[in-house]
Amino acid sequence: KQEVTQIPAALSVPEGENLVLNCSFTDSAIYNLQWFRQDPGKGLTSLLLIQSSQREQTSGRLNASLDKSSGRSTLYIAASQPGDSATYLCAVSLFTGGGNKLTFGTGTQLKVEL
Amino acid sequence: DAMVIQNPRYQVTQFGKPVTLSCSQTLNHNVMYWYQQKSSQAPKLLFHYYDKDFNNEADTPDNFQSRRPNTSFCFLDIRSPGLGDAAMYLCATSRVPRQDYTDTQYFGPGTRLTVL
Repeated sequence: KQEVTQIPAALSVPEGENLVLNCSFTDSAIYNLQWFRQDPGKGLTSLLLIQSSQREQTSGRLNASLDKSSGRSTLYIAASQPGDSATYLCAVSLFTGGGNKLTFGTGTQLKVEL
Repeated sequence: DAMVIQNPRYQVTQFGKPVTLSCSQTLNHNVMYWYQQKSSQAPKLLFHYYDKDFNNEADTPDNFQSRRPNTSFCFLDIRSPGLGDAAMYLCATSRVPRQDYTDTQYFGPGTRLTVL
């Protein structure tokens, strides 16, 4: 059974700092890995998706890497801003013919302070 | 804008009183998913539909049922809610995944269910 772990569970940083969020998974037979953002009481917003054949993806100040063999992914956030405060979830995907089943980690709660 | 809509956003029900949560989508996606997210926990997949084909997760309680009358709508029915069913319920959609491309899941804002 796939298990996804995120470290740290919570993180507080001053504005402008670069930071790294970590995600590890136990079964390397994944279809892809995604990073999501969740604001309090809200749904999930997809940030980055890395296919299993890729090593990294970038979007603006965000960069996500994937090392499938070691079961690890990192999300790098450059020049953090207070608006980045949210919970960040990683999810690994198992391909099925009829859907794309996601297994989520419990998230890292990020607070960026002025 | 194309999107995933969930109604209601907040639902309060009594212990044992059936409740139905609604999800609709304008993305015309074939696949729709229901997740349960309890406080400070990871979202957990309950089931998903590929068109009209229903796929239940092995550990989803029998208390949870779903209906998909057409492409746009999907419902989550909780037949006899218990206190442990209080959670955020998230609906998501995606295109049918293929080996040659990947696609993300698009999530609705969720319905927060309170059981009294």
